[in-house]
Amino acid sequence: NAGVTQTPKFRILKIGQSMTLQCTQDMNHNYMYWYRQDPGMGLKLIYYSVGAGITDKGEVPNGYNVSRSTTEDFPLRLELAAPSQTSVYFCASSYSMLAGLTDTQYFGPGTRLTVL
Amino acid sequence: KNEVEQSPQNLTAQEGEFITINCSYSVGISALHWLQQHPGGGIVSLFMLSSGKKKHGRLIATINIQEKHSSLHITASHPRDSAVYICAVCNFGNEKLTFGTGTRLTIIP
Repeated sequence: NAGVTQTPKFRILKIGQSMTLQCTQDMNHNYMYWYRQDPGMGLKLIYYSVGAGITDKGEVPNGYNVSRSTTEDFPLRLELAAPSQTSVYFCASSYSMLAGLTDTQYFGPGTRLTVL
Repeated sequence: KNEVEQSPQNLTAQEGEFITINCSYSVGISALHWLQQHPGGGIVSLFMLSSGKKKHGRLIATINIQEKHSSLHITASHPRDSAVYICAVCNFGNEKLTFGTGTRLTIIP
């Protein structure tokens, strides 16, 4: 199993540009998450999904959009990039049999995004 | 909202020393996670626990639900243990994690 994969690893955007960060998992996990990590700060949840077709906002969703059309894929879209979105982005997945509970999260390698 | 505090923020120790990293949270939880972030940036889950104690190799995690406190211990520390250790909590009825800011551990040979 490849686990959780993310592309690209690095990206530089200009203000106002758009891009999609890709995330794929091959563990048949129902839960998937997008986090951002800023220097000196804890990971912050952007969006999450409890299954295909179901997404919900996390702590810092503004400026981002997500979709979950398949179990495997959970892309994160930045529509109008701003310098405040410069960060490292991590995708994660986990499996849960019950709503409201979660198991070990498996993280992707991260995408380092700079907006200039 | 659960507040998660870790201490210390930074820790430098000699190889072989016994290491303790602490995590406190403010609201009752269903589970607590310990994660390790390597110098290259990758994040690996070490433990998930809701009570008592878990052990994996040289790593031991404990949790005291009444005190709202968890500790991560490393025995016979080694330079390859150098990393950032992150505590995260999961509130009841919630699939989301709240993260601490991490403890940067450096083990000197």
